[in-house]
Amino acid sequence: SQKIEQNSEALNIQEGKTATLTCNYTNYSPAYLQWYRQDPGRGPVFLLLIRENEKEKRKERLKVTFDTTLKQSLFHITASQPADSATYLCALSDSWGKLQFGAGTQVVVTP
Amino acid sequence: EAQVTQNPRYLITVTGKKLTVTCSQNMNHEYMSWYRQDPGLGLRQIYYSMNVEVTDKGDVPEGYKVSRKEKRNFPLILESPSPNQTSLYFCASSLWAQGPYEQYFGPGTRLTVT
Repeated sequence: SQKIEQNSEALNIQEGKTATLTCNYTNYSPAYLQWYRQDPGRGPVFLLLIRENEKEKRKERLKVTFDTTLKQSLFHITASQPADSATYLCALSDSWGKLQFGAGTQVVVTP
Repeated sequence: EAQVTQNPRYLITVTGKKLTVTCSQNMNHEYMSWYRQDPGLGLRQIYYSMNVEVTDKGDVPEGYKVSRKEKRNFPLILESPSPNQTSLYFCASSLWAQGPYEQYFGPGTRLTVT
């Protein structure tokens, strides 16, 4: 069955450093991969989308890579700030509407 | 303001009592979807709709029904709720043109079934 894995342990990082999150998947060939941010008790907020034929996408301090051979996406937050503390979710989808989310990785940025 | 609204935000009900959670979006999005979120399991897709009168099952559709009679509305119906449907529910919408665009999520509905 399809499986999406994100680090279940919280990532503790010092302000100013780069946070790197991993999203691995098996038994799946997604056409699209998305990253979302979720704060406690709130709905996820979209950050970035990358297509299967794209290797890398950037938006401000965020960067995502997508390696369909390794079946892995890396999500980077550069120059991290305490306001970046949240849970980050990856989501994989096909072209016909079905989406699957990972369980998320909590990031804690300390001053 | 572009948004997805859900009602109610909180609901406590008893086993077997039919309920409906409403979802509405004002962005003219084709795609709408329902998710449930449980600790340690992440978001799981219940049903999705690519357009009016087009709905399809996600990963956990058992015990739920949906309808899409209008583009803006996508209600979630629990005909006979059970305690294992206690969860946090999110509705989302997005454009969909040969693939997904960013999803906008509602604020969530916390459902407790006793």
